[in-house]
Amino acid sequence: DAGITQSPRHKVTETGTPVTLRCHQTENHRYMYWYRQDPGHGLRLIHYSYGVKDTDKGEVSDGYSVSRSKTEDFLLTLESATSSQTSVYFCAISDSTGFSYEQYFGPGTRLTVT
Amino acid sequence: AQSVTQLDSQVPVFEEAPVELRCNYSSSVSVYLFWYVQYPNQGLQLLLKYLSGSTLVKGINGFEAEFNKSQTSFHLRKPSVHISDTAEYFCAVSGADSWGKLQFGAGTQVVVTP
Repeated sequence: DAGITQSPRHKVTETGTPVTLRCHQTENHRYMYWYRQDPGHGLRLIHYSYGVKDTDKGEVSDGYSVSRSKTEDFLLTLESATSSQTSVYFCAISDSTGFSYEQYFGPGTRLTVT
Repeated sequence: AQSVTQLDSQVPVFEEAPVELRCNYSSSVSVYLFWYVQYPNQGLQLLLKYLSGSTLVKGINGFEAEFNKSQTSFHLRKPSVHISDTAEYFCAVSGADSWGKLQFGAGTQVVVTP
């Protein structure tokens, strides 16, 4: 299994609070991605990174920000959590060129916003 | 941009019977196609991928898929399923211009019964 961990694995938070999810990899892969998974929607890309301090928006980026100060860590922040952000969040990594097009997924973080 | 349609949200199947999961895509550029499997409470695992070459692709656990460019399809098949194949299956597409970003279908839940 690819060395990807996510923390926390479960979190319950209140509406309006900021939340940060962490993705950590030990593979030294260049590309990292954050997805959310919701029933009936599959996985949707939130943000991705193509290198340290290089990030871009995905399909559903509103209300989320990311940071990548080190190759191994990719942080996802919900600036002010809303109930619509209750979801399962997955981090993924891709190899150094990104052109193998194969992504390896972490175990996920289940976030509940009350 | 790319899009993916998985034509069945749920597929019930008896153990040792064959199964086919249907996936259609749309894209204005060349594509790379993937099938992922998600077991309960786990992340996604790659089953197989089509990048180029032979249109019949073999993956892990006895699965195979056929890329049909004229019909823009990438259907997944297994000739004989096991109880352990009960899982959710996701078709995903990446465009040649997408820097590895994946567009996922909504998923197909396969339920294998004795």
